[in-house]
Amino acid sequence: DTGVSQNPRHKITKRGQNVTFRCDPISEHNRLYWYRQTLGQGPEFLTYFQNEAQLEKSRLLSDRFSAERPKGSFSTLEIQRTEQGDSAMYLCASSLKLGQGVYGYTFGSGTRLTVV
Amino acid sequence: AQSVTQLGSHVSVSEGALVLLRCNYSSSVPPYLFWYVQYPNQGLQLLLKYTTGATLVKGINGFEAEFKKSETSFHLTKPSAHMSDAAEYFCAVSEAGDFTGANSKLTFGKGITLSVRP
Repeated sequence: DTGVSQNPRHKITKRGQNVTFRCDPISEHNRLYWYRQTLGQGPEFLTYFQNEAQLEKSRLLSDRFSAERPKGSFSTLEIQRTEQGDSAMYLCASSLKLGQGVYGYTFGSGTRLTVV
Repeated sequence: AQSVTQLGSHVSVSEGALVLLRCNYSSSVPPYLFWYVQYPNQGLQLLLKYTTGATLVKGINGFEAEFKKSETSFHLTKPSAHMSDAAEYFCAVSEAGDFTGANSKLTFGKGITLSVRP
Protein backbone atom coordinates (compact mmCIF):
# COMPACT_ATOMS: atom_id res chain seq x y z
CA ASP A 1 0.00 0.00 0.00
CA THR A 2 1.37 3.40 -0.98
CA GLY A 3 -0.49 5.43 1.64
CA VAL A 4 -3.00 8.20 1.03
CA SER A 5 -2.74 9.56 -2.50
CA GLN A 6 -3.96 13.00 -3.56
CA ASN A 7 -4.23 14.40 -7.06
CA PRO A 8 -3.32 16.79 -8.43
CA ARG A 9 -0.41 17.97 -6.28
CA HIS A 10 -0.79 21.52 -7.51
CA LYS A 11 -3.66 23.37 -9.16
CA ILE A 12 -3.70 26.94 -10.42
CA THR A 13 -7.07 28.25 -11.47
CA LYS A 14 -8.69 31.52 -12.35
CA ARG A 15 -11.18 33.05 -9.98
CA GLY A 16 -14.67 31.87 -10.75
CA GLN A 17 -13.64 28.50 -12.17
CA ASN A 18 -14.60 25.16 -10.66
CA VAL A 19 -11.95 22.73 -9.43
CA THR A 20 -12.07 19.13 -8.27
CA PHE A 21 -9.54 17.25 -6.17
CA ARG A 22 -9.27 13.52 -5.67
CA CYS A 23 -8.18 11.52 -2.65
CA ASP A 24 -7.45 7.79 -2.65
CA PRO A 25 -7.27 6.53 0.94
CA ILE A 26 -5.47 3.47 2.25
CA SER A 27 -7.54 0.64 0.88
CA GLU A 28 -8.85 -0.91 4.08
CA HIS A 29 -9.64 2.42 5.74
CA ASN A 30 -13.32 3.21 6.25
CA ARG A 31 -12.95 6.83 7.46
CA LEU A 32 -11.83 9.64 5.21
CA TYR A 33 -11.28 13.27 6.19
CA TRP A 34 -10.69 16.54 4.40
CA TYR A 35 -8.75 19.40 5.99
CA ARG A 36 -7.73 22.81 4.70
CA GLN A 37 -4.43 24.46 5.57
CA THR A 38 -3.83 28.13 4.79
CA LEU A 39 -0.44 29.78 4.90
CA GLY A 40 0.89 30.07 8.42
CA GLN A 41 -1.94 28.12 9.96
CA GLY A 42 -2.56 24.57 11.08
CA PRO A 43 -4.93 22.30 9.20
CA GLU A 44 -8.64 22.91 9.80
CA PHE A 45 -11.23 20.15 9.63
CA LEU A 46 -13.68 20.41 6.74
CA THR A 47 -15.62 17.16 6.57
CA TYR A 48 -15.42 13.40 7.03
CA PHE A 49 -16.90 10.20 5.71
CA GLN A 50 -17.55 6.85 7.29
CA ASN A 51 -17.64 4.54 4.29
CA GLU A 52 -19.81 6.43 1.76
CA ALA A 53 -21.76 8.48 4.32
CA GLN A 54 -20.75 12.08 4.92
CA LEU A 55 -21.30 12.37 8.66
CA GLU A 56 -20.06 15.82 9.57
CA LYS A 57 -19.35 19.10 7.82
CA SER A 58 -17.56 22.08 9.30
CA ARG A 59 -19.07 25.57 9.05
CA LEU A 60 -15.96 26.32 6.98
CA LEU A 61 -17.48 24.24 4.20
CA SER A 62 -19.56 26.83 2.39
CA ASP A 63 -22.24 26.02 -0.19
CA ARG A 64 -19.60 26.28 -2.90
CA PHE A 65 -17.84 23.21 -1.53
CA SER A 66 -19.07 19.67 -2.02
CA ALA A 67 -17.44 16.38 -1.17
CA GLU A 68 -18.38 12.87 -2.19
CA ARG A 69 -17.23 9.35 -1.54
CA PRO A 70 -19.58 7.42 -3.81
CA LYS A 71 -18.46 3.85 -3.23
CA GLY A 72 -16.75 4.26 0.08
CA SER A 73 -13.35 4.23 -1.56
CA PHE A 74 -11.90 7.38 -3.18
CA SER A 75 -13.30 10.82 -2.47
CA THR A 76 -13.59 14.04 -4.44
CA LEU A 77 -13.74 17.60 -3.16
CA GLU A 78 -15.20 20.16 -5.56
CA ILE A 79 -15.05 23.91 -5.19
CA GLN A 80 -17.40 25.90 -7.39
CA ARG A 81 -16.85 29.53 -8.39
CA THR A 82 -13.44 29.67 -6.74
CA GLU A 83 -12.40 32.77 -4.83
CA GLN A 84 -8.91 33.97 -3.91
CA GLY A 85 -9.63 33.07 -0.31
CA ASP A 86 -9.88 29.43 -1.35
CA SER A 87 -6.14 29.36 -2.02
CA ALA A 88 -4.79 26.78 0.41
CA MET A 89 -3.40 23.29 0.80
CA TYR A 90 -6.21 20.73 0.88
CA LEU A 91 -5.23 17.66 2.88
CA CYS A 92 -6.91 14.30 2.90
CA ALA A 93 -6.50 11.71 5.64
CA SER A 94 -7.89 8.24 6.24
CA SER A 95 -8.19 5.84 9.15
CA LEU A 96 -9.72 2.52 10.13
CA LYS A 97 -12.55 2.68 12.68
CA LEU A 98 -12.82 -0.78 14.22
CA GLY A 99 -14.76 -1.37 17.43
CA GLN A 100 -13.63 1.23 19.96
CA GLY A 101 -10.37 1.94 18.18
CA VAL A 102 -9.21 4.20 15.40
CA TYR A 103 -6.11 2.99 13.63
CA GLY A 104 -3.60 4.19 11.12
CA TYR A 105 -4.67 7.85 10.86
CA THR A 106 -2.61 8.87 7.83
CA PHE A 107 -2.40 12.11 5.87
CA GLY A 108 -1.75 12.51 2.18
CA SER A 109 0.70 15.04 0.73
CA GLY A 110 -2.08 17.45 -0.15
CA THR A 111 -3.27 19.44 -3.14
CA ARG A 112 -2.08 23.03 -3.22
CA LEU A 113 -4.67 25.31 -4.81
CA THR A 114 -3.78 28.77 -6.06
CA VAL A 115 -6.62 30.98 -7.25
CA VAL A 116 -5.47 33.89 -9.44
CA ALA B 1 -14.93 22.71 22.06
CA GLN B 2 -11.26 21.97 22.19
CA SER B 3 -8.37 24.22 21.15
CA VAL B 4 -4.58 24.23 20.96
CA THR B 5 -2.12 27.03 21.64
CA GLN B 6 1.42 26.82 20.35
CA LEU B 7 3.37 29.77 21.69
CA GLY B 8 5.71 31.44 19.23
CA SER B 9 5.82 30.73 15.54
CA HIS B 10 9.54 30.07 15.19
CA VAL B 11 12.18 28.33 17.30
CA SER B 12 15.87 28.24 16.40
CA VAL B 13 18.37 25.92 18.05
CA SER B 14 21.93 24.85 17.41
CA GLU B 15 22.67 21.35 16.20
CA GLY B 16 23.07 19.14 19.24
CA ALA B 17 21.04 21.43 21.52
CA LEU B 18 17.82 20.58 23.32
CA VAL B 19 14.61 21.05 21.35
CA LEU B 20 11.56 22.22 23.30
CA LEU B 21 8.33 23.02 21.48
CA ARG B 22 5.44 24.09 23.67
CA CYS B 23 1.80 23.08 23.34
CA ASN B 24 -1.11 23.90 25.62
CA TYR B 25 -4.59 22.57 25.03
CA SER B 26 -8.10 23.28 26.14
CA SER B 27 -10.60 20.47 26.37
CA SER B 28 -13.63 19.91 28.56
CA VAL B 29 -13.19 16.14 28.44
CA PRO B 30 -10.17 13.81 28.47
CA PRO B 31 -8.09 14.66 25.43
CA TYR B 32 -6.14 12.67 22.95
CA LEU B 33 -3.03 14.64 22.01
CA PHE B 34 -0.80 14.44 18.97
CA TRP B 35 2.36 15.94 17.53
CA TYR B 36 2.84 16.01 13.77
CA VAL B 37 5.78 17.13 11.64
CA GLN B 38 5.44 18.65 8.18
CA TYR B 39 8.30 19.06 5.74
CA PRO B 40 7.95 21.56 2.87
CA ASN B 41 5.28 20.60 0.33
CA GLN B 42 4.52 17.38 2.16
CA GLY B 43 1.70 16.05 4.27
CA LEU B 44 1.70 15.53 8.00
CA GLN B 45 3.66 12.74 9.62
CA LEU B 46 2.74 11.54 13.09
CA LEU B 47 5.57 11.89 15.61
CA LEU B 48 3.75 10.62 18.68
CA LYS B 49 0.40 10.56 20.42
CA TYR B 50 -1.06 10.36 23.91
CA THR B 51 -4.32 8.51 24.42
CA THR B 52 -4.37 6.92 27.86
CA GLY B 53 -1.88 5.37 30.26
CA ALA B 54 1.71 6.51 30.60
CA THR B 55 1.99 10.27 30.46
CA LEU B 56 5.49 10.28 28.95
CA VAL B 57 5.18 9.28 25.34
CA LYS B 58 8.08 8.38 23.10
CA GLY B 59 7.87 8.87 19.38
CA ILE B 60 9.90 8.57 16.24
CA ASN B 61 13.23 10.28 15.54
CA GLY B 62 14.07 10.60 19.25
CA PHE B 63 11.16 12.90 20.14
CA GLU B 64 9.10 12.57 23.28
CA ALA B 65 6.30 14.49 24.96
CA GLU B 66 4.77 14.53 28.42
CA PHE B 67 1.07 14.95 29.12
CA LYS B 68 0.58 17.18 32.16
CA LYS B 69 -3.10 17.43 33.00
CA SER B 70 -2.60 20.00 35.75
CA GLU B 71 -0.82 22.32 33.32
CA THR B 72 -2.94 21.35 30.30
CA SER B 73 0.31 20.93 28.41
CA PHE B 74 1.87 18.47 26.00
CA HIS B 75 5.33 19.88 25.23
CA LEU B 76 7.56 18.17 22.68
CA THR B 77 11.24 17.62 23.41
CA LYS B 78 14.32 16.09 21.86
CA PRO B 79 17.63 15.98 23.72
CA SER B 80 19.85 16.72 20.74
CA ALA B 81 18.73 18.51 17.59
CA HIS B 82 19.78 17.30 14.16
CA MET B 83 19.78 19.29 10.95
CA SER B 84 17.12 16.97 9.56
CA ASP B 85 14.72 18.07 12.34
CA ALA B 86 14.21 21.43 10.63
CA ALA B 87 10.51 21.44 9.75
CA GLU B 88 7.13 22.69 10.92
CA TYR B 89 5.59 21.04 13.95
CA PHE B 90 1.92 20.90 14.81
CA CYS B 91 0.24 19.95 18.04
CA ALA B 92 -3.31 18.61 17.76
CA VAL B 93 -6.09 17.59 20.14
CA SER B 94 -9.17 15.43 19.87
CA GLU B 95 -11.73 14.68 22.53
CA ALA B 96 -11.26 11.05 23.54
CA GLY B 97 -14.88 10.07 23.05
CA ASP B 98 -15.02 11.79 19.69
CA PHE B 99 -11.82 10.25 18.41
CA THR B 100 -12.80 6.65 19.09
CA GLY B 101 -16.49 7.21 18.50
CA ALA B 102 -18.13 9.97 16.61
CA ASN B 103 -15.71 11.51 14.18
CA SER B 104 -11.96 11.36 14.96
CA LYS B 105 -11.48 14.95 13.84
CA LEU B 106 -8.35 16.75 14.97
CA THR B 107 -8.01 20.37 16.07
CA PHE B 108 -4.57 21.74 15.27
CA GLY B 109 -2.49 24.59 16.60
CA LYS B 110 -0.94 27.14 14.26
CA GLY B 111 2.36 25.32 14.16
CA ILE B 112 5.96 26.12 15.05
CA THR B 113 8.79 26.30 12.55
CA LEU B 114 11.95 24.72 13.90
CA SER B 115 15.29 25.87 12.46
CA VAL B 116 18.53 24.08 13.29
CA ARG B 117 21.80 26.03 13.05
CA PRO B 118 25.03 24.20 12.17
